[in-house]
Amino acid sequence: GEDVEQSLFLSVREGDSSVINCTYTDSSSTYLYWYKQEPGAGLQLLTYIFSNMDMKQDQRLTVLLNKKDKHLSLRIADTQTGDSAIYFCAETGTGRRALTFGSGTRLQVQP
Amino acid sequence: GAVVSQHPSWVICKSGTSVKIECRSLDFQATTMFWYRQFPKQSLMLMATSNEGSKATYEQGVEKDKFLINHASLTLSTLTVTSAHPEDSSFYICSAREGTGMGTQYFGPGTRLLVL
Repeated sequence: GEDVEQSLFLSVREGDSSVINCTYTDSSSTYLYWYKQEPGAGLQLLTYIFSNMDMKQDQRLTVLLNKKDKHLSLRIADTQTGDSAIYFCAETGTGRRALTFGSGTRLQVQP
Repeated sequence: GAVVSQHPSWVICKSGTSVKIECRSLDFQATTMFWYRQFPKQSLMLMATSNEGSKATYEQGVEKDKFLINHASLTLSTLTVTSAHPEDSSFYICSAREGTGMGTQYFGPGTRLLVL
């Protein structure tokens, strides 16, 4: 079945770049997403990428996709304390309508 | 942008009672809605897929008689936790997908359930 893995924790200093990594197993993954969850809140869609793309940039966010290695990353430039949250990688693919989520990476931004 | 609401945002109930959670897509029609459950410091686990006008599809291990799902319209799905017990305490999150394709899912803010 589908499996998505992320590292559990990342700590960076304010102003540095953060890179959150994700690996997945399903080669038929079509859409890959990054969601942000703040304490006690639901999920906020940050960005997504289609599997036929290598990179997508949206303001401070850069998503890189290495389809061969099934590796997805989210880079946050100039990380701010407000970026502290849990970031979930998720994917869905052909024939599936639900998302498969990773375990989430807790990003802690130190002032 | 697409907005999904949930009501209530939190609920405390006694063991044995039933609790209904509503999920609404506010500015789009959602043929499919999804119900997830999240335990503290864990990821989201899909419970069921709710299709408008038909029966929900439950994931393995999720009791359909325990978690009743109704998707009566293109903008509303409800999850009823029947005869709730303390182990049902969790954060329940719904999401909605516009149209019938594989488009983006938009998530509600979640409902925190505490069963005493």
